[in-house]
Amino acid sequence: GAGVSQTPSNKVTEKGKYVELRCDPISGHTALYWYRQSLGQGPEFLIYFQGTGAADDSGLPNDRFFAVRPEGSVSTLKIQRTERGDSAVYLCASSFIQGDGYTFGSGTRLTVV
Amino acid sequence: GIQVEQSPPDLILQEGANSTLRCNFSDSVNNLQWFHQNPWGQLINLFYIPSGTKQNGRLSATTVATERYSLLYISSSQTTDSGVYFCAVGTRGIQGAQKLVFGQGTRLTINP
Repeated sequence: GAGVSQTPSNKVTEKGKYVELRCDPISGHTALYWYRQSLGQGPEFLIYFQGTGAADDSGLPNDRFFAVRPEGSVSTLKIQRTERGDSAVYLCASSFIQGDGYTFGSGTRLTVV
Repeated sequence: GIQVEQSPPDLILQEGANSTLRCNFSDSVNNLQWFHQNPWGQLINLFYIPSGTKQNGRLSATTVATERYSLLYISSSQTTDSGVYFCAVGTRGIQGAQKLVFGQGTRLTINP
């Protein structure tokens, strides 16, 4: 597509529930990144995919967080047993593998109540 | 890990003014990007500039990698320039990943 698409744009869930956030990167971009942004802060790295594999998942806060990219395009970030502290904007970006500029999606605002 | 510091944290200007935003980083990097986050939260890539100088309209950026800083210049500010400007630096991780570390941002407010 023309840009990075993230769905849903907003998600409200109850504490303890499971959520999935979807990212559809720019066609041809082999690198895909997930970041998390809390209010008043800069985005923080979660995980990076090169193709289908998670090349670097060092930013995932704990084992409740997991992400997949089974066909090397669309990625899903999965959060189990959500906690109120998981509330944030989850941002996805894509780029060519050599770096260059990132293109970010509009984000998914997750609110855990 | 690498530290990124941006200054000033807040900047309020009148329309038409010029501004300079600074980004200092603590280690060698192979990727540096400037982003503008508009009031609706969208992050827009302004420059990919690991070194040298680039210009795009009223915006320009300079990175002096050997001295570990980058500057973003905004000339003849417009109200639409308001928002938060982030500097992000790239550290080469596993398999050459261009993982970015973001600064805390500079919040720019342009008053009409």
